[in-house]
Amino acid sequence: EDKVVQSPLSLVVHEGDTVTLNCSYEVTNFRSLLWYKQEKKAPTFLFMLTSSGIEKKSGRLSSILDKKELFSILNITATQTGDSAVYLCSYSGAGSYQLTFGKGTKLSVIP
Amino acid sequence: GAGVSQSPSNKVTEKGKDVELRCDPISGHTALYWYRQSLGQGLEFLIYFQGNSAPDKSGLPSDRFSAERTGGSVSTLTIQRTQQEDSAVYLCASSLFGGGYGYTFGSGTRLTVV
Repeated sequence: EDKVVQSPLSLVVHEGDTVTLNCSYEVTNFRSLLWYKQEKKAPTFLFMLTSSGIEKKSGRLSSILDKKELFSILNITATQTGDSAVYLCSYSGAGSYQLTFGKGTKLSVIP
Repeated sequence: GAGVSQSPSNKVTEKGKDVELRCDPISGHTALYWYRQSLGQGLEFLIYFQGNSAPDKSGLPSDRFSAERTGGSVSTLTIQRTQQEDSAVYLCASSLFGGGYGYTFGSGTRLTVV
């Protein structure tokens, strides 16, 4: 049973396009939702979201959380080939030390 | 060290052999985690260390898997009598405290069982 569902599973866009990646989750004691970028092997941290409706932004990337509807989106504007990666969504439960991950969205940005 | 270091980066082994995967966390990080990423799957939690203790080993997929951590630093994940379904990327992460955030991941070990 998946507790974190990401969509789409893969996406191909052209440079300059804007993309929206989706993450829905099911957890009883939610604490935070985290996005990671995985280019080769090591996932690198992008955002941690704990509150609904507050957008986190870093350059061309932004993310927002809806705790009522149990989902988050990751937006990337003006995509570049360097954005090609697998984007992983995960949540952390209250009192937990582990992260539960979705299967990821594989983004391919072509020139 | 400056980052989380894992070795080897790639390992090919024959079915039935034992393998050891090593993780050297960031200096001072008390929490250490092992995850497994099979092809097309998300990261699957294996085990968590706080210091040298592993409060939760329930993520280990079978009794062929074991892990230890010594000196509150280096950790070794051992897989005995490897099977083809053990083929995956094994990722280690560390954090200053436990709690499921503030992870820094290593580059992983890609294990292929032939």
